[in-house]
Amino acid sequence: DAGVIQSPRHEVTEMGQEVTLRCKPISGHNSLFWYRQTMMRGLELLIYFNNNVPIDDSGMPEDRFSAKMPNASFSTLKIQPSEPRDSAVYFCASSPGLAPIQYFGAGTRLSVL
Amino acid sequence: KNEVEQSPQNLTAQEGEFITINCSYSVGISALHWLQQHPGGGIVSLFMLSSGKKKHGRLIATINIQEKHSSLHITASHPRDSAVYICAANSGGSNYKLTFGKGTLLTVNP
Repeated sequence: DAGVIQSPRHEVTEMGQEVTLRCKPISGHNSLFWYRQTMMRGLELLIYFNNNVPIDDSGMPEDRFSAKMPNASFSTLKIQPSEPRDSAVYFCASSPGLAPIQYFGAGTRLSVL
Repeated sequence: KNEVEQSPQNLTAQEGEFITINCSYSVGISALHWLQQHPGGGIVSLFMLSSGKKKHGRLIATINIQEKHSSLHITASHPRDSAVYICAANSGGSNYKLTFGKGTLLTVNP
């Protein structure tokens, strides 16, 4: 299996622009997570999906952030409008669900200028 | 105060040295994870444990539930072990939500 695939790997955008991050989980995994990593706060859970349904979005910072999982093999995290403080590395992870081990993607490094 | 605390924050060692990274947590947990992140790279799960000890190659992870403490040991350290090591805990009521430590940056010099 190719593992969790995230795109793009790097994204540079200007403040106010819309940003869409993409994730393809490992086939057969029914849990999907979006995380944000910054130097100041470390890793933080943004949202958790189980069987394509959002279960916990308490970590989504504000209404500018939204996430969708239209099917078992694809998820998006959208930021609209983006702000410089959104600059971070965003990770997607998936889990088979029966065990809490999570498999992380390579991350998307977002820079908002 | 973070529920998961790691120490040290930074660690520099010479090749061949025995390494210990510590993790303390303040809440009841169902599992404790150790993760590895290479500079600019992704995150890899090394261990998940809820009791006792696990070993994989030169890496050993231990946990003491009563003392709410876990350690990650690296024997015969090598420069390729240089990475950030992150401790994360599944809080007792959740089998999915991880609370992360801030990480320990390990540098192993040749």
